[in-house]
Amino acid sequence: DAGVIQSPRHEVTEMGQEVTLRCKPISGHDYLFWYRQTMMRGLELLIYFNNNVPIDDSGMPEDRFSAKMPNASFSTLKIQPSEPRDSAVYFCASSLQGAGGYTFGSGTRLTVV
Amino acid sequence: AQSVTQLGSHVSVSEGALVLLRCNYSSSVPPYLFWYVQYPNQGLQLLLKYTSAATLVKGINGFEAEFKKSETSFHLTKPSAHMSDAAEYFCAVTPGSSASKIIFGSGTRLSIRP
Repeated sequence: DAGVIQSPRHEVTEMGQEVTLRCKPISGHDYLFWYRQTMMRGLELLIYFNNNVPIDDSGMPEDRFSAKMPNASFSTLKIQPSEPRDSAVYFCASSLQGAGGYTFGSGTRLTVV
Repeated sequence: AQSVTQLGSHVSVSEGALVLLRCNYSSSVPPYLFWYVQYPNQGLQLLLKYTSAATLVKGINGFEAEFKKSETSFHLTKPSAHMSDAAEYFCAVTPGSSASKIIFGSGTRLSIRP
């Protein structure tokens, strides 16, 4: 298995632009998680899905952030409009029931200038 | 509610020395516990996990951790540090087999001195 695949690896965008981050989970995994990592706040859980349904989005910072999972093999995290404070590394992770541990992707490093 | 506290945001040891990274947990139900490692510019990788079987858990790269209920601890150890062990280490907890969401600690950066 190729693992959790995220794209792009790096994204540089101007303030106000729309940004879309993509994630392909491991085939057969039924949970998908989006995390954000910064030096100041560490790892923050933004949202997670079970069987493509959003379960908990309480970590989504504000309405500028949205996430979808149209099918079991694809998820997106969208920021519109982007702001410099959104600069961070965004990770996607998947699991077969969370208690078994997650498999993380390599992350997308987002820089908003 | 579940939480983990990692003692020491930065630990530095000499190559060949014992590595000890401390983690204490809080959980109202029997927990599952994890250690993850993050190398620079990479995602987190599962090192080992405790799921209520043996209290001494062995993981990859020579690491192990012991679950001590009386101390609510799950410290990570390695007998002899290697330069390649330099990374960020995260302790994490989830409330047992029925849970889906893992709570991560704030991380400990391990540096290895030559």
